[in-house]
Amino acid sequence: DAGITQSPRHKVTETGTPVTLRCHQTENHRYMYWYRQDPGHGLRLIHYSYGVKDTDKGEVSDGYSVSRSKTEDFLLTLESATSSQTSVYFCAISPGQKAGELFFGEGSRLTVL
Amino acid sequence: GDSVTQMEGPVTLSEEAFLTINCTYTATGYPSLFWYVQYPGEGLQLLLKATKADDKGSNKGFEATYRKETTSFHLEKGSVQVSDSAVYFCALSTGANSKLTFGKGITLSVRP
Repeated sequence: DAGITQSPRHKVTETGTPVTLRCHQTENHRYMYWYRQDPGHGLRLIHYSYGVKDTDKGEVSDGYSVSRSKTEDFLLTLESATSSQTSVYFCAISPGQKAGELFFGEGSRLTVL
Repeated sequence: GDSVTQMEGPVTLSEEAFLTINCTYTATGYPSLFWYVQYPGEGLQLLLKATKADDKGSNKGFEATYRKETTSFHLEKGSVQVSDSAVYFCALSTGANSKLTFGKGITLSVRP
């Protein structure tokens, strides 16, 4: 198993509260990604990182921010959670040498009431 | 932009039946194509891939051939098992930062 840990695995919060999801890897891979999974939409890229302090937006980045201050950690922050951000969030990592070959974490289920 | 279209689901089959899951894509350049599988309660894992036209990816009895002329990458298996019950995602990558664009996924249920 790829060394990816997501935390928390489950969270219930209220609209308007800040939420931070953490992705931790032990593989020293360069690339890290945050996807969200929703019925009828598959997986959609939120943000990704190609190195420490190097991040970029994906297709559904509105309402989310990320930070990567260390190679092993990639944080996803919802500054003010909304019900539309209820989803399952997956972190993925890649060494980058083989394009598109990602290793996924087990997911974090977020419910915004 | 890049996109992946998968056939609508869910799909329910009996054990040992033949499986085909259709996938077509739109992309600029020459993408690599992938099938990822998600077993219940787990994250996604790579099932197979193909990096250029006419390549065939295969793994665990599953196969898919990269067809540039029809922009397709259909997944097939000759005899499914109950343990193949999962969600299957077709995806592409154009190589830039190794990002993946996914289809919507399709749920396969195999009954004994």
